[in-house]
Amino acid sequence: DGGITQSPKYLFRKEGQNVTLSCEQNLNHDAMYWYRQDPGQGLRLIYYSQIVNDFQKGDIAEGYSVSREKKESFPLTVTSAQKNPTAFYLCASGIAFGGARDTQYFGPGTRLTVL
Amino acid sequence: EDQVTQSPEALRLQEGESSSLNCSYTVSGLRGLFWYRQDPGKGPEFLFTLYSAGEEKEKERLKATLTKKESFLHITAPKPEDSATYLCAVQLPTGGFKTIFGAGTRLFVKA
Repeated sequence: DGGITQSPKYLFRKEGQNVTLSCEQNLNHDAMYWYRQDPGQGLRLIYYSQIVNDFQKGDIAEGYSVSREKKESFPLTVTSAQKNPTAFYLCASGIAFGGARDTQYFGPGTRLTVL
Repeated sequence: EDQVTQSPEALRLQEGESSSLNCSYTVSGLRGLFWYRQDPGKGPEFLFTLYSAGEEKEKERLKATLTKKESFLHITAPKPEDSATYLCAVQLPTGGFKTIFGAGTRLFVKA
């Protein structure tokens, strides 16, 4: 059963803590993305990766970090430097970054709440 | 500045009452325009990709069209299960193929 999985579904963080959100895909996609969604706003790109061991900052990368050690996995760490981390986080993947068939497919999301 | 605007913010329809959602864009170039459906608390579900003005795509009660400045998502005879937020996104041809999302239109269909 192919798809994108994100875990956990809900995550609570105390101020000053780092937390890591998991994203796994078995679609054999090269490109992976992390977005943040806030009420009333469009999705905003945090980081993206076109290939293993390479990733680029998006529009709102400050306070976040990522790694891409395996094609299937693209974890996102929300650090204590992120001042307003409460949001809905979405991971996506695509067949080929910028290629002809470059539709992004999304995971179910992780809702992060700072206590 | 590249921008994607969706209207209306919210739309309430009676079951069977057809209507359209608008996605207007002012961008430096268009590589592709995407429509997604998002249910509360879930990730967006892909609906359509449009690449050039004049292109149309259909899926069940939904039809997406594209002009040089905007896209429409037409909903024919909607049912309550069509209630969701519909997102529009534009992919630019330069700058790493950046994708810009609109804020979405929340659709409510009443039986």
